[in-house]
Amino acid sequence: QKEVEQNSGPLSVPEGAIASLNCTYSDRGSQSFFWYRQYSGKSPELIMSIYSNGDKEDGRFTAQLNKASQYVSLLIRDSQPSDSATYLCAANTNAGKSTFGDGTTLTVKP
Amino acid sequence: EAGVAQSPRYKIIEKRQSVAFWCNPISGHATLYWYQQILGQGPKLLIQFQNNGVVDDSQLPKDRFSAERLKGVDSTLKIQPAKLEDSAVYLCASSGTSLPYEQYFGPGTRLTVT
Repeated sequence: QKEVEQNSGPLSVPEGAIASLNCTYSDRGSQSFFWYRQYSGKSPELIMSIYSNGDKEDGRFTAQLNKASQYVSLLIRDSQPSDSATYLCAANTNAGKSTFGDGTTLTVKP
Repeated sequence: EAGVAQSPRYKIIEKRQSVAFWCNPISGHATLYWYQQILGQGPKLLIQFQNNGVVDDSQLPKDRFSAERLKGVDSTLKIQPAKLEDSAVYLCASSGTSLPYEQYFGPGTRLTVT
């Protein structure tokens, strides 16, 4: 079992729809969680970080954390074609060590 | 604020040759990470430094990979000798030392071993 698991996708949504990306983690010692966006041929770009149970909103993005279920999600509202990318979920232990999932590829169709 | 700098951006070498990558983290970031990312996979941590010290190098193939961080700032990652399976993107990231330990990545070095 991988430490951080994501739906491999691909996920396709129409423009303007809500995209929902999910992630589960196995290490209960994980303290903080991240969503990165990675365009083809580019390096990962941090979108959101979250370390308290509940929701955290930033513009069109909402991250949700449920430590009891060891589950993290990212909602993208009003999806745009420019949101088409691979989304990486990562979990940090208290030493700052990150483990990444293999990503979910999102395509937003105009 | 300047981001994480890496060089070179691309490198092509033959197997059994050696190669070195350089990284300069965001100013003030004490923690520096080197990742290997193979196409279609997430980044895999090779080594994590905090200041000059190694925090985690459990996934670093120490028979061929080495890394150092002199003076707690810049870092170099070396591969000697390279194998075909080392073809990947090598990413450097840096972070602060308090929650949530947000990591910021450099542009990466794409290595091709022929």
